[in-house]
Amino acid sequence: SAVISQKPSRDICQRGTSLTIQCQVDSQVTMMFWYRQQPGQSLTLIATANQGSEATYESGFVIDKFPISRPNLTFSTLTVSNMSPEDSSIYLCSAEGGKGLTDTQYFGPGTRLTVL
Amino acid sequence: AQTVTQSQPEMSVQEAETVTLSCTYDTSENNYYLFWYKQPPSRQMILVIRQEAYKQQNATENRFSVNFQKAAKSFSLKISDSQLGDTAMYFCALYRGTSYGKLTFGQGTILTVHP
Repeated sequence: SAVISQKPSRDICQRGTSLTIQCQVDSQVTMMFWYRQQPGQSLTLIATANQGSEATYESGFVIDKFPISRPNLTFSTLTVSNMSPEDSSIYLCSAEGGKGLTDTQYFGPGTRLTVL
Repeated sequence: AQTVTQSQPEMSVQEAETVTLSCTYDTSENNYYLFWYKQPPSRQMILVIRQEAYKQQNATENRFSVNFQKAAKSFSLKISDSQLGDTAMYFCALYRGTSYGKLTFGQGTILTVHP
């Protein structure tokens, strides 16, 4: 399966600042995704990161708050902008294609974000 | 709209015993994929098992097997010979495939394996 890494693994940030999370896959993949997991909850899809075009956002998530880049087939970033304590969550990226099974998403280890 | 429901918030089992986690789902599609993911305290989401809806045969992966009932829209996970390392949150998920992208998760079941 694809091996996915994320940086940072965790961070503590001040209200009003921004944090960029990086996601790196060890092979070229067709699709990359960003999810949010609030404490004790399930995963919610934020957006699909499209290579060479703007990300596709789910209802309730907007580009100004969660800008996403995907400059190539192995890398994506998610920025959490103008953070508030409500943004404290685990943020996970996933990828499909590459070395893994088709129609199957593999996940990175997640980034635990705490906003004070 | 797709929905996935896990009705057991928490389960526990003794080491070496068998446990079954329940999952029901709803979709209007005929072709889709179902997954069980495991999330231990390390928070890494790990793929446990995958089932293609067009396959009648239940998927198995070592100690993990599923009971897929397409007509009933039921997809349970059986863990045999439970081990302490199986302690984790387990998520059932539904996927329509690459063309649609969105993976829909259930609420999760916390499984604790006791020595």
